Amino acid sequence: AQSVTQLGSHVSVSEGALVLLRCNYSSSVPPYLFWYVQYPNQGLQLLLKYTTGATLVKGINGFEAEFKKSETSFHLTKPSAHMSDAAEYFCAVSDRGSGGYQKVTFGTGTKLQVIP
Amino acid sequence: EAGVTQFPSHSVIEKGQTVTLRCDPISGHDNLYWYRRVMGKEIKFLLHFVKESKQDESGMPNNRFLAERTGGTYSTLKVQPAELEDSGVYFCASSQRTGGGYGYTFGSGTRLTVV
Repeated sequence: AQSVTQLGSHVSVSEGALVLLRCNYSSSVPPYLFWYVQYPNQGLQLLLKYTTGATLVKGINGFEAEFKKSETSFHLTKPSAHMSDAAEYFCAVSDRGSGGYQKVTFGTGTKLQVIP
Repeated sequence: EAGVTQFPSHSVIEKGQTVTLRCDPISGHDNLYWYRRVMGKEIKFLLHFVKESKQDESGMPNNRFLAERTGGTYSTLKVQPAELEDSGVYFCASSQRTGGGYGYTFGSGTRLTVV
């Protein structure tokens, strides 16, 4: 069974500082990996995803994440935090398979606070 | 294109009452998913429709929950009778393709409070 662990339910950074949100996964085979973001009063929005190929994935709003198989990690980073980045971030994993439907499993979420 | 639409956005009901949540997926998306987030916990899978058929309903908590997708368009999720532990945010998502490598498009969710 696959699972996702997000370290830190709340993370605070100063505006302009590095954002690092941690995600570790457990899966029997290298999975598909996702980061979603939820801004206040909005739905979940796909930030970026890793399926295959280059392990450093770039997403929207300057975010990127690196798939590290040896560490079973998929941490999300952004060099310089903006006030508008304040939101809740969810890491998610989906097993690869021989095709067809594969369920997506979410982590518990990390709320990012950006301090002026 | 219009996104995934859910309504109501909020619902407060008393224990024992019935509530029906609705989700309109993106037009042309055969796959429709329901997820739920109980406060502070992870977003948990409830079920998956492919068109009007239930592909996977392994996440449905119990038989008080009934999901339908007549005609393969919009979906409803009925909770009858509602219990306190049913409170949470119910998300609907849709995708055009089946398969784990495709991200979903989520709706804004319905916040259900059972008092």
